[in-house]
Amino acid sequence: AQSVAQPEDQVNVAEGNPLTVKCTYSVSGNPYLFWYVQYPNRGLQFLLKYITGDNLVKGSYGFEAEFNKSQTSFHLKKPSALVSDSALYFCAVRDGSNYQLIWGAGTKLIIKP
Amino acid sequence: DAGVIQSPRHEVTEMGQEVTLRCKPISGHNSLFWYRQTMMRGLELLIYFNNNVPIDDSGMPEDRFSAKMPNASFSTLKIQPSEPRDSAVYFCASISRDSRLDEQFFGPGTRLTVL
Repeated sequence: AQSVAQPEDQVNVAEGNPLTVKCTYSVSGNPYLFWYVQYPNRGLQFLLKYITGDNLVKGSYGFEAEFNKSQTSFHLKKPSALVSDSALYFCAVRDGSNYQLIWGAGTKLIIKP
Repeated sequence: DAGVIQSPRHEVTEMGQEVTLRCKPISGHNSLFWYRQTMMRGLELLIYFNNNVPIDDSGMPEDRFSAKMPNASFSTLKIQPSEPRDSAVYFCASISRDSRLDEQFFGPGTRLTVL
């Protein structure tokens, strides 16, 4: 069965420090991996995706994510956090056969000035 | 493009009443998803359509919930009768299966409160 785990309910980071939001997955075929962000009272917005190719994927707002096949992980990273990065972050996965995403529970990212 | 449009943005109703949520996907998108988000259960997929046909409705909580997509530009999610535990934010999302973008575009959501 496909699944996504975001082990941290909340991550606290000081502004200017690097941030990591963790995600591990389980999928039967080749994984299609996604990160979405949700700001308060808004719908989810696409950040980045991994389909194939380079394991380091760059996305919107300076975020990047690293695909690690052996660890079945797809952690979201940013070298220097901004207060405006504070939001809810969702990891999602699907296999190649359909467009239905399996979503993680979400991680609340809090960036403190 | 205006993006995915949902209406109403907020709905307050009393237990037992019928509630209809509406969604207009992005023009040209051929898959549509209805999600529910709560603090307790997170983001749940309720149902999704491909080319206006329901593909997977296993996430629909019970018979009180129904969804339709009469054409490519409109979908509804109906709850009849509504109950307080249905209170949540309901999102609609669409995607083009023919696009290389491969990302779901979400609407702003409908915040439903059932008293």
